[in-house]
Amino acid sequence: AQTVTQSQPEMSVQEAETVTLSCTYDTSESDYYLFWYKQPPSRQMILVIRQEAYKQQNATENRFSVNFQKAAKSFSLKISDSQLGDAAMYFCAYRSVSYSGAGSYQLTFGKGTKLSVIP
Amino acid sequence: DTEVTQTPKHLVMGMTNKKSLKCEQHMGHRAMYWYKQKAKKPPELMFVYSYEKLSINESVPSRFSPECPNSSLLNLHLHALQPEDSALYLCASSQGLLRGSRSEQYFGPGTRLTVT
Repeated sequence: AQTVTQSQPEMSVQEAETVTLSCTYDTSESDYYLFWYKQPPSRQMILVIRQEAYKQQNATENRFSVNFQKAAKSFSLKISDSQLGDAAMYFCAYRSVSYSGAGSYQLTFGKGTKLSVIP
Repeated sequence: DTEVTQTPKHLVMGMTNKKSLKCEQHMGHRAMYWYKQKAKKPPELMFVYSYEKLSINESVPSRFSPECPNSSLLNLHLHALQPEDSALYLCASSQGLLRGSRSEQYFGPGTRLTVT
């Protein structure tokens, strides 16, 4: 079974600064997907960024980018030019590619990192 | 359009009530999910539907009964709930469960359920 670990329960960043959220995972699979989801106080889970394990290039979405280190099983999220609207709970998630039963395509979530943005 | 809608936004019900949560998507997705989320915790998967058929039931008590009337709609029927069932209930959808389907799930805003 896969596990996802987010070792930073809470983090804070000054507005306009850069912050990096950590995520590590454990898997025996060679192909999989990794995601970062954001959940602001409004409680809607919003997909921030998606990475396919077979792609070596790190995914980027505007101010959000990842540092994907497959050998180290590390998938950190960098937020540049932090804004007040970035304050939220951030969840790292893993999903298999290969089908090995009905549960294969479930998302495995980390416990989350609560990010505060200081004006 | 990546919108998943859920109604109602808030629901308060007694332990003897029967109520239903509704979820809708119009993205042509063929997989739909129900999650339960307690405060400050990640979502926990309850049910997965693939092509309107129940694919996964994560040992959820029978007081929760899912239904998928068509490919766009997902309901969760609630009966005789307990106070510990109070939580945020999230619906999500994705393109499908088959290999080659786009993998990301899109979530609705959730229904905040309080059982008294």
